[in-house]
Amino acid sequence: GAVVSQHPSWVICKSGTSVKIECRSLDFQATTMFWYRQFPKQSLMLMATSNEGSKATYEQGVEKDKFLINHASLTLSTLTVTSAHPEDSSFYICSARDKEGSPLHFGNGTRLTVT
Amino acid sequence: AQSVAQPEDQVNVAEGNPLTVKCTYSVSGNPYLFWYVQYPNRGLQFLLKYITGDNLVKGSYGFEAEFNKSQTSFHLKKPSALVSDSALYFCAVIKPGSARQLTFGSGTQLTVLP
Repeated sequence: GAVVSQHPSWVICKSGTSVKIECRSLDFQATTMFWYRQFPKQSLMLMATSNEGSKATYEQGVEKDKFLINHASLTLSTLTVTSAHPEDSSFYICSARDKEGSPLHFGNGTRLTVT
Repeated sequence: AQSVAQPEDQVNVAEGNPLTVKCTYSVSGNPYLFWYVQYPNRGLQFLLKYITGDNLVKGSYGFEAEFNKSQTSFHLKKPSALVSDSALYFCAVIKPGSARQLTFGSGTQLTVLP
C-alpha cells in the first residue's frame, strides 16, 4: 500500500533555531500534502495544505512566516519551523494523497521538543 | 459548526466482545467519510472509507462501518475486539464542494481489556 515517510521521527532543538521536517510519498505521486499539529490527547489541527509547485494555503491562525512549507516535487514536502520556541513543541504529522476522494496516507509523525 | 462529532472520548470493552465507536456528521450533500486509527506517537493509519454504494463498508483489521444517512452516522464496529485494537480512533469527513480537506472528529480512545 501507499507509504508516506516522515523524517525525523523526533528532534530536540534549542530555542531560536530552525528545524526542517520532511514528508515523502514513497510509491505514489502526492499532488496534495497536508501538515497537521497534534497536542497531547487532542485531535489533529490542520496547519496548511500544499499543492505541488504552488504556495501553501495556511489555516487561520497559523503563521506562514514561522511554519514554512515547500512542496517542490510530487513526492516531497517540507515543513520548517523557524526560530522555534518552547510553545512550538508538539507532534507534527504530514499526510498525502494522489487525488481527491482517495484516502490520506499519513507519515508516522515528528515529535518536536524545543528547549 | 462542527462537521463531524465523536460523542465518546473513551470507550472500554472486554476482549472478545463487540465494539462500537460512534461518529456523526453534520454536512449537507453526500460527504466522503473515513475512519483512521492512531497508535501512540505514530501517524494515522487508514481503516476504511465510504464514498458511495453499499452502506456497509469493510476495512482493515476486521473493522467495518455503516453509513446511515437518516441518522447522519458512520459508526465503526468490530464483532470481536482484541487487546491490540486499543488505540485512538478518528472519524473524518470531506465536505463535498469544499476545499477538499479532511475534517477530523475529536477522537475516541478505545481500550480493550484482557
